Amino acid sequence: ETGVTQTPRHLVMGMTNKKSLKCEQHLGHNAMYWYKQSAKKPLELMFVYNFKEQTENNSVPSRFSPECPNSSHLFLHLHTLQPEDSALYLCASSQGGGSRYEQYFGPGTRLTVT
Amino acid sequence: AQKVTQAQTEISVVEKEDVTLDCVYETRDTTYYLFWYKQPPSGELVFLIRRNSFDEQNEISGRYSWNFQKSTSSFNFTITASQVVDSAVYFCALSEASAGGTSYGKLTFGQGTILTVHP
Repeated sequence: ETGVTQTPRHLVMGMTNKKSLKCEQHLGHNAMYWYKQSAKKPLELMFVYNFKEQTENNSVPSRFSPECPNSSHLFLHLHTLQPEDSALYLCASSQGGGSRYEQYFGPGTRLTVT
Repeated sequence: AQKVTQAQTEISVVEKEDVTLDCVYETRDTTYYLFWYKQPPSGELVFLIRRNSFDEQNEISGRYSWNFQKSTSSFNFTITASQVVDSAVYFCALSEASAGGTSYGKLTFGQGTILTVHP
């Protein structure tokens, strides 16, 4: 068990819907991440939060809006998504935001946009 | 820019065979970290190992071993006497450590290798 949980595990939404993905880490870490994993593509880093401050936005479209209220929780708010946004969205956390820290991942949310 | 290449898209072996997963990386940094992760069908990535660029000692953990060679920019992963439970997607990843660099703190993943171990 990695100590990172994500809800929901599966989500189907229409292009006009608004939904949110939730991530919670129970490891006492200070950095949290959102990744997108599409079929046949490498994992793509979307956002990084270090001590609740966003330190990285990897050119993600504004229809994805992250929120980090504290070091243990991370949200990804979704609105007016496109079918190509269908993917597995993975949350991760690490002790710090630096390069030497391994990241621990949650099970992911399988998102389907119809 | 940092880059990780896993040339083997899919590998299929029979149980008890040894299998090596290749990983080649590119970086301009002299200080960096290399990682291997396992992604079983359940979806979550499981951390396996971290290596820093100054430590070229090979490592063995049970049936797993890792061969880090800076001269060839490779960080290969070998599973000895493979088992069905080893079936998963395996990712190699790189993180540069130079503060101020554009890739500082970012974890760049390879495309992954799908390993299938048949009984």
